[in-house]
Amino acid sequence: QSVLTQPPSVSAAPGQKVTISCSGSSSNIGNNYVSWYQQLAGTAPKVLIYDNNKRPSGIPDRFSGSKSGTSATLGITGLQTGDEADYYCGTWDDSLSAEVFGGGTELTVL
Amino acid sequence: EVQLVESGGGLVQPGGSLRLSCAASGFTFSDHYMDWVRQAPGKGLEWVGRTRNKANRYTTEYAASVKGRFTIARDDSKNSLYLQMNSLKTEDTAVYYCCSSGSYFPWGQGTLVTVSS
Repeated sequence: QSVLTQPPSVSAAPGQKVTISCSGSSSNIGNNYVSWYQQLAGTAPKVLIYDNNKRPSGIPDRFSGSKSGTSATLGITGLQTGDEADYYCGTWDDSLSAEVFGGGTELTVL
Repeated sequence: EVQLVESGGGLVQPGGSLRLSCAASGFTFSDHYMDWVRQAPGKGLEWVGRTRNKANRYTTEYAASVKGRFTIARDDSKNSLYLQMNSLKTEDTAVYYCCSSGSYFPWGQGTLVTVSS
């Protein structure tokens, strides 16, 4: 059971938009920055979003992050088949003194 | 170019020890908090532990599942991060990644640790 809650899977058609939610509490998302990671099959996780809504150089603006209260959301527009991957949210938890991750969301582009 | 390269993984028997290394380049390693994160086969990401920087006295934090068995160390003069793993259990089998805590820097490619008799 993960500290952060993500839907196990989401799907959408190519070109469409999808959002992935990440729900936490005041001790983690509510008080710390959130990061989002993309993990393509057989590869290392890649930082998509850091500090809630910032994109590293090279990450297209089709990917966006937002945070409100104790929840965070990853948005992906203009879906491509190459976006099929597992997506994870992560943040620091002040009560646990630990970095915590969501259980991961598998994105299928139909 | 920022790069993190893990090494030291392999097959070890339950109860055994292993030391992982992570070589950093392309950024001021000494300024950064550094994490180890692992991923068991077919599972999600699990944080292992963190070492803070010199300004924060190199303090460390560990996941409950590894506390007392794993030790994180760093050598800023060598731009290197280490994970000493003792009393290994089969459930420690995973790919181990090093990363700069909460930053945009890319993660390493990981190193596979297999604990099996």
